[in-house]
Amino acid sequence: RKEVEQDPGPFNVPEGATVAFNCTYSNSASQSFFWYRQDCRKEPKLLMSVYSSGNEDGRFTAQLNRASQYISLLIRDSKLSDSATYLCVVNQNSRDNYGQNFVFGPGTRLSVLP
Amino acid sequence: DTGVSQDPRHKITKRGQNVTFRCDPISEHNRLYWYRQTLGQGPEFLTYFQNEAQLEKSRLLSDRFSAERPKGSFSTLEIQRTEQGDSAMYLCASSLEGATSGDTYEQYFGPGTRLTVT
Repeated sequence: RKEVEQDPGPFNVPEGATVAFNCTYSNSASQSFFWYRQDCRKEPKLLMSVYSSGNEDGRFTAQLNRASQYISLLIRDSKLSDSATYLCVVNQNSRDNYGQNFVFGPGTRLSVLP
Repeated sequence: DTGVSQDPRHKITKRGQNVTFRCDPISEHNRLYWYRQTLGQGPEFLTYFQNEAQLEKSRLLSDRFSAERPKGSFSTLEIQRTEQGDSAMYLCASSLEGATSGDTYEQYFGPGTRLTVT
């Protein structure tokens, strides 16, 4: 089983639609969680961190379920500019040392259609 | 431009040659990361520095790969005896250090170096 798995995609949705991405991780010791966005042939950029209580940033809502080792990203009222690949990222850093190990999922591609 | 920069942006080399890439992080960031990304996959973690200390290395980092950050500022990634399977985008990222070892701040990525091994 891969350490971080995501919906295979691609997702093709019309403008204004609501779309949800799912991500699961295998290491229960994981402590930090993020969603990154990557446009074609560009570098990844942070979309939002994911907090235990869930968090929202405008049209974007992230949820974390530690018991199920599951993370989600919801995009409401999708825009053409939301078309990109969305990467789920899990950090398995240890609180006993300064080790950092960021594991990226394979990404889910979203195309928002006019 | 005060973002993360990488050089070169593209590198074509013949199998068996050595290549070296450079990364200049955001100046106040003391954490620096190297990743490798192939088409259709997410970035794969290679290694991580805090200041000049290399604190984490992935199993993916074979003995042909070496990374340095001698003065805690820029970093280099060298691949010796390149193989066709090394063809990928090599990404560098930097971040601030958290107040405790468990803190994690946003990583800012550079534009990457695309390596093609023929």
